[in-house]
Amino acid sequence: EPEVTQTPSHQVTQMGQEVILRCVPISNHLYFYWYRQILGQKVEFLVSFYNNEISEKSEIFDDQFSVERPDGSNFTLKIRSTKLEDSAMYFCATTEGLGTTGTNEKLFFGSGTQLSVL
Amino acid sequence: GEDVEQSLFLSVREGDSSVINCTYTDSSSTYLYWYKQEPGAGLQLLTYIFSNMDMKQDQRLTVLLNKKDKHLSLRIADTQTGDSAIYFCADRRGGGSYIPTFGRGTSLIVHP
Repeated sequence: EPEVTQTPSHQVTQMGQEVILRCVPISNHLYFYWYRQILGQKVEFLVSFYNNEISEKSEIFDDQFSVERPDGSNFTLKIRSTKLEDSAMYFCATTEGLGTTGTNEKLFFGSGTQLSVL
Repeated sequence: GEDVEQSLFLSVREGDSSVINCTYTDSSSTYLYWYKQEPGAGLQLLTYIFSNMDMKQDQRLTVLLNKKDKHLSLRIADTQTGDSAIYFCADRRGGGSYIPTFGRGTSLIVHP
């Protein structure tokens, strides 16, 4: 089965530093998502991205966060100035379509990047 | 806002049935999902049910949906040690947003 690839698998950073998390979507997929899971809490939606634009974002996705697809393959999540509470597992997910016709669209997840902010 | 709740842990003996429960709050949910996460891996879609269905069976998996009570369950028959994983319930609401909302996951531990 096709895979979503995330790098790095673990990232340790100092508070206030910038981090970039990378994701390589499945090649024919058009919709990209970032989710995160703080230890013991729910998997939370951050942002969705389509056609080089953010299509939806949650309250968590504030000005410290940004996403882009710089080279047409990688999909990145940048946190400008990390805080302790940004420590979490960050998941990238992709779908081929959006399910707008009422059909189900399967999310394909990467294995995540564990971000630790010290 | 919408919410999805699950219990954190379930321990069963190999060969028994497992039942993982989930409640959700959004009455406009169109699809409800069960995802499975094995150690070191991402979430994988296990099965899903459309909101106009009560039950869906797929080999050892049975999904039951009680829309009135907003309750979803996943039954795994003849649970095996390979079923040990974290199981996430998620719903996808209607009304123009197609983003699934996840619970915190239930850790299923299968012991011999």
